Amino acid sequence: NAGVTQTPKFRVLKTGQSMTLLCAQDMNHEYMYWYRQDPGMGLRLIHYSVGEGTTAKGEVPDGYNVSRLKKQNFLLGLESAAPSQTSVYFCASSPFYRERGNIQYFGAGTRLSVL
Amino acid sequence: GEDVEQSLFLSVREGDSSVINCTYTDSSSTYLYWYKQEPGAGLQLLTYIFSNMDMKQDQRLTVLLNKKDKHLSLRIADTQTGDSAIYFCAETYSNMLTFGGGTRLMVKP
Repeated sequence: NAGVTQTPKFRVLKTGQSMTLLCAQDMNHEYMYWYRQDPGMGLRLIHYSVGEGTTAKGEVPDGYNVSRLKKQNFLLGLESAAPSQTSVYFCASSPFYRERGNIQYFGAGTRLSVL
Repeated sequence: GEDVEQSLFLSVREGDSSVINCTYTDSSSTYLYWYKQEPGAGLQLLTYIFSNMDMKQDQRLTVLLNKKDKHLSLRIADTQTGDSAIYFCAETYSNMLTFGGGTRLMVKP
């Protein structure tokens, strides 16, 4: 039972390089999310998707792009990495439960360092 | 989103009770959640409470909600070393969650 899988787990980039983080979920969830976690700041929403082919901006979208071409996958791209993007990135997915709100299931995270 | 605030750190002795507090600002939140994050891992849902409830108990966990004061707490009875982790409260708005900054719980043997 895989749940939410993120690849890669670790990555080091040089300033200006690009990369794509992949998130895959096998629970047939409609909603998917990308967060970044920085010390003492909790999780901040970067982008999210409410279904295949749709994406929307979250709280901190600048410098990131996303795509959801397939329901089970949500990709996060950094076109030109900056040191300020050094962080731990989490992907989450959620069904919609009318009786339980928005329970999100998280991947194990990707630790990214930008030098 | 709205602000969700938590204290940064809590230290307790094994066997004691732990109480982690959270304040939120969005009075329209319908559900509030507690998540646990162990080192090197993602967040895992511990429990949740509907806004029309005052209390919810689930084994060693007790959630108290004071909607008037917008205050949420998580009590862990008989705290064990395996409970050492970061605990996040979260409130909902639309299809999204707003998280607090997390409380690091340290359990001393």
